[in-house]
Amino acid sequence: GAGVSQSPSNKVTEKGKDVELRCDPISGHTALYWYRQSLGQGLEFLIYFQGNSAPDKSGLPSDRFSAERTGGSVSTLTIQRTQQEDSAVYLCASSYPRGELFFGEGSRLTVL
Amino acid sequence: GENVEQHPSTLSVQEGDSAVIKCTYSDSASNYFPWYKQELGKRPQLIIDIRSNVGEKKDQRIAVTLNKTAKHFSLHITETQPEDSAVYFCAAFLNQAGTALIFGKGTTLSVSS
Repeated sequence: GAGVSQSPSNKVTEKGKDVELRCDPISGHTALYWYRQSLGQGLEFLIYFQGNSAPDKSGLPSDRFSAERTGGSVSTLTIQRTQQEDSAVYLCASSYPRGELFFGEGSRLTVL
Repeated sequence: GENVEQHPSTLSVQEGDSAVIKCTYSDSASNYFPWYKQELGKRPQLIIDIRSNVGEKKDQRIAVTLNKTAKHFSLHITETQPEDSAVYFCAAFLNQAGTALIFGKGTTLSVSS
């Protein structure tokens, strides 16, 4: 693919519902990251996948957040029982090991 | 704890002036230091990076300097232009084995003409 693809681009949900955000990385990139960016804020690290290694989940803010990466390619970030404070843009990025990160356009989540 | 600290959070300059943004990191084993630029409503993009085997790197009007002893690195933009207005993020892998790339909180640069 031409770049990192994320879907949906926008998601509005009600408090308490579960949401799934998808990331399709650049072909061949073994590293995949999820970050969260609240309005006007920085890039908060959530989770990192590298090849077949165990993911670094140290940034996940609570056990309501989880992510998986199937077949070393597509990744899904799941937020269970969403809260209003989960509202943010969720950015996915991929790279070669320790190389330049290429970001997707992000998924804007709004929890009502 | 492991983190990347960035200063200032906001910076306003006149067109043509220079801008300097500084970051410090905690892990002395870190060896890769990129800078990303995020324009309003867009995704972050790499503008320059430096590895620990050099002290300075330049690319036209931007440069990055690294002081491994003091564990800080800086972004320098000369002859600023209005299109340089954006949020700039520094980042570092927090150990030599390199797990996740951790970003500073960002600097909002405003260049007025």
